[in-house]
Amino acid sequence: GNSVTQMEGPVTLSEEAFLTINCTYTATGYPSLFWYVQYPGEGLQLLLKATKADDKGSNKGFEATYRKETTSFHLEKGSVQVSDSAVYFCALLISSGSARQLTFGSGTQLTVLP
Amino acid sequence: GAGVSQTPSNKVTEKGKYVELRCDPISGHTALYWYRQSLGQGPEFLIYFQGTGAADDSGLPNDRFFAVRPEGSVSTLKIQRTERGDSAVYLCASSLQLNTEAFFGQGTRLTVV
Repeated sequence: GNSVTQMEGPVTLSEEAFLTINCTYTATGYPSLFWYVQYPGEGLQLLLKATKADDKGSNKGFEATYRKETTSFHLEKGSVQVSDSAVYFCALLISSGSARQLTFGSGTQLTVLP
Repeated sequence: GAGVSQTPSNKVTEKGKYVELRCDPISGHTALYWYRQSLGQGPEFLIYFQGTGAADDSGLPNDRFFAVRPEGSVSTLKIQRTERGDSAVYLCASSLQLNTEAFFGQGTRLTVV
């Protein structure tokens, strides 16, 4: 079956530090990959996505590259801000027949200290 | 509406009772999804609709769970004979079409006591 494994949290960083949140996946077929973010008190929001191998998704200074050879989609940001404090979810989507399910990882809580 | 709206935001019910959770998708969005998120976990797929029909209900855990979308807009998730293990945040999402970005609501926190 399909599954997503992401780095366990919580992660605590100082402002301007470098961020990496690891994500690996197992999938039948060729998934699209996503990072979602959940800010305190808000719903899940799409942060970035990549639909095929070697694609790089980027948004708000965050980046992730779809690595088929290592089945990974690690999230990175060069300099985090306090406002980046949130829970981050890695997810995959397989579109096959009638199936259109997002499969999520368990989430990584990030806290950025001033 | 401006975003996906879910009501109520919180629901406490007694074990064995029936509950309904409502989702108002973004106007014009044809695809609608329900997910369940337990504490410390990522969302788990329950069901999705394309228009009025349930195109994939493979994630519903058992026959106590049922969802409808009679007019292709608002959807209701119905849980019969609730159990304590049903306690979770139930998330709804909608997208303009299949395979386009899904926008999530803030969820309904269900607590079964």
